[in-house]
Amino acid sequence: DGGITQSPKYLFRKEGQNVTLSCEQNLNHDAMYWYRQDPGQGLRLIYYSQIVNDFQKGDIAEGYSVSREKKESFPLTVTSAQKNPTAFYLCASSISSGQDFSGANVLTFGAGSRLTVL
Amino acid sequence: GNSVTQMEGPVTLSEEAFLTINCTYTATGYPSLFWYVQYPGEGLQLLLKATKADDKGSNKGFEATYRKETTSFHLEKGSVQVSDSAVYFCAGGGGNKLTFGTGTQLKVEL
Repeated sequence: DGGITQSPKYLFRKEGQNVTLSCEQNLNHDAMYWYRQDPGQGLRLIYYSQIVNDFQKGDIAEGYSVSREKKESFPLTVTSAQKNPTAFYLCASSISSGQDFSGANVLTFGAGSRLTVL
Repeated sequence: GNSVTQMEGPVTLSEEAFLTINCTYTATGYPSLFWYVQYPGEGLQLLLKATKADDKGSNKGFEATYRKETTSFHLEKGSVQVSDSAVYFCAGGGGNKLTFGTGTQLKVEL
C-alpha cells in the first residue's frame, strides 16, 4: 500500500544535539512538507519541497534544516539552534504544491514523530 | 494572510448525539476547504473537502458545506459514535499555502 513512513516514532534528545527525522513516501508525489504540532495549536509549516534538490522555508524554519536528494525522501534535522524542539513532527506529501486553490493538492500525512528534549 | 478559526474543545457528547464543530475562514479569494481528523498518536487523515462555494463534502456520515456568504465550513454529523473520538482540524488553502485551525477535540461517551 502507498503511504508515508516516518521514523522514529519516539525520539529523545539531549540539549545541544542535532537529530534527524526520517520521512519516506511511495506515492510518487512531487511535493513534501514538514509540520510541527504543539498542544492547543494548529499545524505550523517548517519546510516544504516542490521538486528534488529544491526546498523552501515555511513559517517556522529557524533551527531546522532539510534535504531533498530523492523524490521519495525528505529528512528533517532539528539542530541545537532550535530553542524549543519538544513537539510532534508531521511529514506530509501531495501531488504538487501549486497555489491554484483547486483542491487537487490534498495532503497525505505520516503517523508522526514525537521528539522530547531531556 | 489566510486564517482559520474553529471552536475550542474539548467537546464531549453522548453516543448518537448530533455534532457540530464550527469553522470560519478569512482568505484572499475562495480557497479550498478541508476537514482533517487525527486519532490518538497518529497523523492527520483527510475527512472531507470542498473546492468551491456551495459544495458539500461528505464522508463516513460527516458533512460540511462551503458557505461563501458566512465564510464558514462547519462540520456536522447526525449521530456520533465512540469511535469518532479524535481531534478535528479545519484547514483552508492549498499546497504550501494550507492554513490549519487549532483543532477541536471530540470525546464521545457511551
